[in-house]
Amino acid sequence: QVTLRESGPVLVKPTETLTLTCTVSGFSLNNPTMGVSWIRQPPGKALEWLAHIFSNDDKSYSPSLESRLTIAKDTSQSQVVLTMTNVDPADTATYYCARTDIYGLWVTRFDPWGQGILVTVSS
Amino acid sequence: EAVLTQSPGTLSLSPGERATLSCRAGQSISTTYLAWYQQKPGQAPRLLIYGASSRATGIPDRFSGSGSGTDFTLTISRLEPEDFAVYYCQQYYTFGQGTKLEIK
Repeated sequence: QVTLRESGPVLVKPTETLTLTCTVSGFSLNNPTMGVSWIRQPPGKALEWLAHIFSNDDKSYSPSLESRLTIAKDTSQSQVVLTMTNVDPADTATYYCARTDIYGLWVTRFDPWGQGILVTVSS
Repeated sequence: EAVLTQSPGTLSLSPGERATLSCRAGQSISTTYLAWYQQKPGQAPRLLIYGASSRATGIPDRFSGSGSGTDFTLTISRLEPEDFAVYYCQQYYTFGQGTKLEIK
């Protein structure tokens, strides 16, 4: 059974750095047909893709947030970490990680998803 | 950057009725890269359809996907009470803005 679980702080202050961890099980982060993405969803709003990491350690970032994001993986720990610098109240959202299926160089689908973690940015 | 436009924004129907949700891409895409998700309040999205028309594991056959090029459709043949939720289409790293399916 494939599972993903997000962990990290639920409250961060403006200008701080947010670090979130996605712990996976049931699949390998070295599988060339799979990857892991981070997606967020502000309260009452739509899904927004943030970052993706491939098995070969290649990375992709949302153009609008690229300067603030870093994604990395620790295969031995089955973990994918997302860091976001200089957070703002507008970054308040539920953050999800999801396994991706890769065909060619592109993601075909996100499945499954973790349960998500609500992160609030407030002083 | 890919753009996906979903319509309608909100769809009000009754249980037993047929629902038709639309997703339009800004440019022609391969069906391989079009997926649909269902999200209920307080839950993570769940994959329904991938490859534009293939049902994910465990998804009832009342859910079907179709389309090609720039126009894609998610159809729910007979609505069950548990189908009222928000639905998103996805292409590559882009999600549509969602269609809320509500009880009439």
